[in-house]
Amino acid sequence: DAGITQSPRHKVTETGTPVTLRCHQTENHRYMYWYRQDPGHGLRLIHYSYGVKDTDKGEVSDGYSVSRSKTEDFLLTLESATSSQTSVYFCAISESGLFYEQYFGPGTRLTVT
Amino acid sequence: QKEVEQNSGPLSVPEGAIASLNCTYSDRVSQSFFWYRQYSGKSPELIMSIYSNGDKEDGRFTAQLNKASQYVSLLIRDSQPSDSATYLCAALTASKLTFGTGTRLQVTL
Repeated sequence: DAGITQSPRHKVTETGTPVTLRCHQTENHRYMYWYRQDPGHGLRLIHYSYGVKDTDKGEVSDGYSVSRSKTEDFLLTLESATSSQTSVYFCAISESGLFYEQYFGPGTRLTVT
Repeated sequence: QKEVEQNSGPLSVPEGAIASLNCTYSDRVSQSFFWYRQYSGKSPELIMSIYSNGDKEDGRFTAQLNKASQYVSLLIRDSQPSDSATYLCAALTASKLTFGTGTRLQVTL
């Protein structure tokens, strides 16, 4: 998975609790992304980063925040988890340009009960 | 109309045949296109990128782009059972990457 790890790989949490997912890369790539994948919707961008402390919203950013304090780490926080945030979350990285040629991490399956 | 459309399949082809996967996009300013393969329960894996009209070949894979007709295709020659997966098409405009929902390919023995 191109030197990308995600933690945790599986998580079950209750509605209303905060959740943080971590993406760690060893490739020193500039760009990092968080996606969610749901049946019938495909991959949808939540947030992305174009450098340390530089982040921006994607198409489904409501209820999510991100932080990138180091090149290698990109954190996704669900501020107050809801059942609609039950999904598979993928982190991705790229170097050749923003949104170009992305390499994906193994994913985190999150269930909000 | 979806921004990037793919037939969900499954597309079933016999082993050794050519599999043809198609993708259409609605935004005429889309400049760059990517094909990803995703095995069930796994993460997407980049197969090919294509930026200009015509064909681009990489091993058994050929990507074809026709900007006038707004479609992108992926041909897989000599299909193998290990090619059975969902193939995602993605189109990039200046500031947005949009994925299709994918076509499931089944290669039968």
